[in-house]
Amino acid sequence: GAGVSQSPRYKVAKRGQDVALRCDPISGHVSLFWYQQALGQGPEFLTYFQNEAQLDKSGLPSDRFFAERPEGSVSTLKIQRTQQEDSAVYLCASSFRGRNTGELFFGEGSRLTVL
Amino acid sequence: AQSVTQLGSHVSVSEGALVLLRCNYSSSVPPYLFWYVQYPNQGLQLLLKYTTGATLVKGINGFEAEFKKSETSFHLTKPSAHMSDAAEYFCAVSLFSGGYNKLIFGAGTRLAVHP
Repeated sequence: GAGVSQSPRYKVAKRGQDVALRCDPISGHVSLFWYQQALGQGPEFLTYFQNEAQLDKSGLPSDRFFAERPEGSVSTLKIQRTQQEDSAVYLCASSFRGRNTGELFFGEGSRLTVL
Repeated sequence: AQSVTQLGSHVSVSEGALVLLRCNYSSSVPPYLFWYVQYPNQGLQLLLKYTTGATLVKGINGFEAEFKKSETSFHLTKPSAHMSDAAEYFCAVSLFSGGYNKLIFGAGTRLAVHP
């Protein structure tokens, strides 16, 4: 597709379950970001990939959060043993270059609700 | 460290009235600044950006913003609000570190437009 695609759009998990969220960036985009957006808040940076290399994971809130992009295209954000505070919209964004002005193209997000 | 403050979490205007959404930033270097819009259940869409050059920036849907270094501000305006402008608006500053740019977002301002 022409834009950033994320799946699933909605996910309900019981506390303690593992979840995996997928992001398909725009074809050819080198940079890929994950953001977490809690209800009523702005997006918060989680992690950054340049091709397959994870260059920055400083925003991951705990070691239960893990992200990968093994072939430099599709990325997966995995959350283990989900907690209620993990409930949020997870946004993926991509850009063509790493060293750019910061303009990002966002997907529609995956809304995670942990019961 | 870069940060963004958006004054007013909710703004309500009448259709046809001026829209003014406030954003102040903190940055130790000349910033790149952005406004993104988020419609319900959608990802973020770029409205406009300031990198270098002219301080008055025009974006999509009739929006514009002016970079004022002396005031560390980047307020978003539109002369005449339309019902379709109702959405959440996020101001962001670009942080360059480790060879790439990442966006730091404000908490957002929800714009309501009433007849």
